[in-house]
Amino acid sequence: NAGVTQTPKFRVLKTGQSMTLLCAQDMNHEYMYWYRQDPGMGLRLIHYSVGEGTTAKGEVPDGYNVSRLKKQNFLLGLESAAPSQTSVYFCASRTLDYEQYFGPGTRLTVT
Amino acid sequence: DQQVKQNSPSLSVQEGRISILNCDYTNSMFDYFLWYKKYPAEGPTFLISISSIKDKNEDGRFTVFLNKSAKHLSLHIVPSQPGDSAVYFCAAGILIQGAQKLVFGQGTRLTINP
Repeated sequence: NAGVTQTPKFRVLKTGQSMTLLCAQDMNHEYMYWYRQDPGMGLRLIHYSVGEGTTAKGEVPDGYNVSRLKKQNFLLGLESAAPSQTSVYFCASRTLDYEQYFGPGTRLTVT
Repeated sequence: DQQVKQNSPSLSVQEGRISILNCDYTNSMFDYFLWYKKYPAEGPTFLISISSIKDKNEDGRFTVFLNKSAKHLSLHIVPSQPGDSAVYFCAAGILIQGAQKLVFGQGTRLTINP
């Protein structure tokens, strides 16, 4: 039981490049979330999903897209990376309780 | 507009003493509160939670107190141990448009000194 895993762990992009971050969970959770963490700002919600095939915008969705084609996977895409998207990205999942389980994070640098 | 605030970016406590981490919130619609602990290069891990209908929840060395009238919650760690050194995030839960969401504070870095 791996819990929540994220791929890749680190990535450096140039401005304008695109990439996809993958989140996978093996706990059969319905709900999945993508956050970004920046110094002094805590974790901010980018997008979330309440079930397979559904997604919704969070607090800071601009510049990101997501897809939830399979229940266990939640993908976060950056179509045209910008330096402002330099951050640490965390994926999380949960069942019916408020408690969310987090992945180890992806550290993204955009130059 | 920061709905959940942790006003102390850092806290230093001697091993064996009590650590008290504070968190304030502004939205009275929050109905659940959680504390997460985060080590460097790892994801946050759940520590303890409390429902808005309670004022205290205890789990071993960790106790969370909720004062709804003051919109304030705190985490007490007694006794503090070196392994408790980490960043602590408080989070408030709210149901919006049929989905439960968490709003996080900025975090407090706790350092336990031997």
